[in-house]
Amino acid sequence: TQLLEQSPQFLSIQEGENLTVYCNSSSVFSSLQWYRQEPGEGPVLLVTVVTGGEVKKLKRLTFQFGDARKDSSLHITAAQPGDTGLYLCAGADSGGSNYKLTFGKGTLLTVNP
Amino acid sequence: EPEVTQTPSHQVTQMGQEVILRCVPISNHLYFYWYRQILGQKVEFLVSFYNNEISEKSEIFDDQFSVERPDGSNFTLKIRSTKLEDSAMYFCASKRDNNQPQHFGDGTRLSIL
Repeated sequence: TQLLEQSPQFLSIQEGENLTVYCNSSSVFSSLQWYRQEPGEGPVLLVTVVTGGEVKKLKRLTFQFGDARKDSSLHITAAQPGDTGLYLCAGADSGGSNYKLTFGKGTLLTVNP
Repeated sequence: EPEVTQTPSHQVTQMGQEVILRCVPISNHLYFYWYRQILGQKVEFLVSFYNNEISEKSEIFDDQFSVERPDGSNFTLKIRSTKLEDSAMYFCASKRDNNQPQHFGDGTRLSIL
């Protein structure tokens, strides 16, 4: 059974601060997705990382995939209250036929004005 | 932007009854999935579906569950003889091909009384 551990589980910071969220596993994934989920809504895709060592930027968000494709990080620069939400990482399982996703429990981020 | 749509948004059912959760995947997508999220827990894979058949299913997806694509647009999850522990958010997801990420609907909140 593949597991994804996200840390921290909760994070409360002030507007303007930087933060990093981690997603770790002992398993190798074919790709890893980061989603953001608002209360009462489904996960919304932020980014997909595929290649070991890959770095992708989405405005103030920087995503990195570990060299061994077992871990990933999300770094937010100068956080804003609009960044508040639940951030989920999900690994695509290459062992199955259609790449089901294994999700972490998420990091609940609160950015205070 | 095309979306995955799910109906109903909230379903309340008596224990032992059957429920059908409906999903309309993005129109040119070929791979379909159901996930569930019990309150306070992580999103869990239930089943994947491709080419009119189940590709993979989890241990959760037992004989109580079935999926169907009755026409060219709908993808349904049927739960027979519902139990209290079936109460959860159920998310449908789809993707265009195996190299693309999954896109999620906003979910159906299923409450079993």
